[in-house]
Amino acid sequence: AQSVTQLDSHVSVSEGTPVLLRCNYSSSYSPSLFWYVQHPNKGLQLLLKYTSAATLVKGINGFEAEFKKSETSFHLTKPSAHMSDAAEYFCVVSDRGTGNQFYFGTGTSLTVIP
Amino acid sequence: KAGVTQTPRYLIKTRGQQVTLSCSPISGHRSVSWYQQTPGQGLQFLFEYFSETQRNKGNFPGRFSGRQFSNSRSEMNVSTLELGDSALYLCASSLGAASGAAGTQYFGPGTRLTVL
Repeated sequence: AQSVTQLDSHVSVSEGTPVLLRCNYSSSYSPSLFWYVQHPNKGLQLLLKYTSAATLVKGINGFEAEFKKSETSFHLTKPSAHMSDAAEYFCVVSDRGTGNQFYFGTGTSLTVIP
Repeated sequence: KAGVTQTPRYLIKTRGQQVTLSCSPISGHRSVSWYQQTPGQGLQFLFEYFSETQRNKGNFPGRFSGRQFSNSRSEMNVSTLELGDSALYLCASSLGAASGAAGTQYFGPGTRLTVL
């Protein structure tokens, strides 16, 4: 079975400090993993994806994530938070056992303090 | 390329009515998935269509249905609306594959449905 656990429902950081959003997954097959961001009253925007190539994935807006199979983790990081990063972030898992179906985490709300 | 478009963006209905939401995928994408997003339940998968056929279905009652047309545009219908159907309905498109392999999904802005 596939599932995603986002370990923090809320994260607050000061502007200019690092961001860490944590995600653990379970998957019966080699997974595809994604991070999406959702700003208020907007749809979801793809930040980055892992599909069995390099384990360190770089995305848009300075975000990156590292796939660690031994820890079944796919944490999202950014070296320096910007006010515009304040949003809801979703970790997603999919694998060939699920076809094209995405399994979403419950989301992490990121607050950036000026 | 134009992104995924959804119409209408906002809808207000009353209990017992039915509603149809529309989604136009990115040109060339053959798979369309629908999700319901609520504060309490988060993002839940409704169904996926590929080449006019429903390929995956989530755990929703039969009041929720969908279809896909030959141009890959999709509609979802909710009949006999309940208060709990108030949500943001998101559509996502992907290239899709006949084998059902996972692909990156690109989301539309959503339709905000309010049931009174």
